[in-house]
Amino acid sequence: DTEVTQTPKHLVMGMTNKKSLKCEQHMGHRAMYWYKQKAKKPPELMFVYSYEKLSINESVPSRFSPECPNSSLLNLHLHALQPEDSALYLCASSHGVSLAGAGTGELFFGEGSRLTVL
Amino acid sequence: GENVEQHPSTLSVQEGDSAVIKCTYSDSASNYFPWYKQELGKGPQLIIDIRSNVGEKKDQRIAVTLNKTAKHFSLHITETQPEDSAVYFCAAPKLVFGAGTILRVKS
Repeated sequence: DTEVTQTPKHLVMGMTNKKSLKCEQHMGHRAMYWYKQKAKKPPELMFVYSYEKLSINESVPSRFSPECPNSSLLNLHLHALQPEDSALYLCASSHGVSLAGAGTGELFFGEGSRLTVL
Repeated sequence: GENVEQHPSTLSVQEGDSAVIKCTYSDSASNYFPWYKQELGKGPQLIIDIRSNVGEKKDQRIAVTLNKTAKHFSLHITETQPEDSAVYFCAAPKLVFGAGTILRVKS
């Protein structure tokens, strides 16, 4: 099984809503990531978890709250978002973890959750 | 932090021609150089990678070359096919992606 599964595929929410994005992998990977991708732009790193601990937060606003309940699951909790937060949110995982707390080697991406904030 | 520049931003080729995309990085300690392909509606997928102890790696029609002195690495696709049309990203070891190249293969 070499898949990273993300749910939901599409999400529309208002600025006062609270919602969550979910990500799951069963490859035994110990590093998991959230990336944000705007149209016609590259993925931008948001968070990295290694061994279920947050190791990198790229100065992401607190309205995005990551959570790693176990080694297979990664959530992104959303609250009080702005319309400019509308984007494709990609989850990824990797086998290796570097001493700096980031992953090493190939990143396996899910297909993303397309978020629209009204 | 790590900076990676990718060129060109768009590339149109005739089916059967070759395509070359180049990335330049800043951190001389970098030792892992991947290329990802992203098709419409999907997440990026690794197509080839290279580590700093080799200068070139091939996988069928795809190759990656690395010049550590000049700090650049390139993706080479030979005998391009319409299904090669996608966005291609290089990535630096600190999880930073290049700006991307839209490759269009015209049949």
